[in-house]
Parts: sequence; structure tokens; C-alpha cells
Amino acid sequence: KAGVTQTPRYLIKTRGQQVTLSCSPISGHRSVSWYQQTPGQGLQFLFEYFSETQRNKGNFPGRFSGRQFSNSRSEMNVSTLELGDSALYLCASSSRTSGETQYFGPGTRLLVL
Amino acid sequence: AQKITQTQPGMFVQEKEAVTLDCTYDTSDPSYGLFWYKQPSSGEMIFLIYQGSYDQQNATEGRYSLNFQKARKSANLVISASQLGDSAMYFCAMREIGAGNMLTFGGGTRLMVKP
Repeated sequence: KAGVTQTPRYLIKTRGQQVTLSCSPISGHRSVSWYQQTPGQGLQFLFEYFSETQRNKGNFPGRFSGRQFSNSRSEMNVSTLELGDSALYLCASSSRTSGETQYFGPGTRLLVL
Repeated sequence: AQKITQTQPGMFVQEKEAVTLDCTYDTSDPSYGLFWYKQPSSGEMIFLIYQGSYDQQNATEGRYSLNFQKARKSANLVISASQLGDSAMYFCAMREIGAGNMLTFGGGTRLMVKP
């Protein structure tokens, strides 16, 4: 079974721009969660989607948003990028059959200049 | 208060020896799960092992075992017979039943295996 895939793997943007990251979960997994990893703040939960609905949200500004499609693929969007948004963005998927253990993708490295 | 604390920022271990990575947690939720993930320099988080709060026995997965001491709120990862490929960041994480699927992570421990 294929793992979680994320595209793109690397991205360079400038301040003020917006960015969209994509995540395809493991087949059959309906829950997708997003995390931001930075050297200063560590790993922080952004949000979780299940059956196209946001089920949980972390403490991030409204510039961070996401959505999930009917095939469970998910996207996250960051508008008006700031230098501090430079991070590794990790997507994870899970299901009841996986015991809700989250399996992560390779991440997208975003650099904001 | 930190929900997950990993007190060892970095550790060295000799190849083929065992090593213990510490993790303490704080929760008032009676039902929770504890996870360990490995993150190589490539960035991907690799699931290693899971322990549920109601599990009676310590979890084991191959060379990985979890020393779960509920009263002490600790969930230390033990890696037996270390290999050079074990060099990576290791993260302890917790999921509380009241927080859905959200994982709260510790700050991580960088493990370096010496040949």
C-alpha cells in the first residue's frame, strides 16, 4: 500500500504571497492532519480533516486554512506569507483500522524570503 | 506546563548497545495514547511504537520497546542493539481522547550512534 504523499516537496516563496500544499493519504484513510515543524516552536498541530469536515484546529492565525476533498486528499493554504512561516509542513493520515495511529508523509519544506 | 517533556536534547550510543530515550507526559485525561516517532534527516516522521493508557503490558515492536510507568507518567523508548541507521531525531507524542486525533509532541532527542 502506498504511503502518504505530499507535493511539492520544496517550495520557495516571497513575503506576501500565498501557497497551497497538497497531501494524499494512505488509501482508505479518511482522517488527515497537518503539522508545522520549526526549529523554534517544534512540531505544532495545525488542523485535522475527516470526511471533508474540519474536526479540530490548532492555535494558528486565520491565514492558515485547509480543506479535504471527497477522495480524502487534503490541501492547506497559507495566505500573505510571513518569514516565520518558513517550516517543514507535515501531513499525516489515519483510520480506525490503523488504530488511529498517524502515518506521516515526507513533508513540504517551505522557505519564505 | 509542558504536556510532553523530553529532557535529553542529544545522546550518543555505541553501536550494538541498548539506549533509553526519556519521555514524561502530563494529562488529566483518563484515556490517552503515547507514540514514538523517528525523524531522519530527510524529514519524514516514521512511526515506531504505540502504548495505550489502558494497556496492561509494555508495547514492543522488534528492537523497540516502551517502558510505560503510568503512575510516574513516563513512557521511555528503549532501543536494543543500536544500529548506525538509528541515528535520527526521536519524538514522543501524546493523543488525548478529548482532543480527537491531535498529537502533542515533545521537543525531541537527537540520537547519534557511534561505530
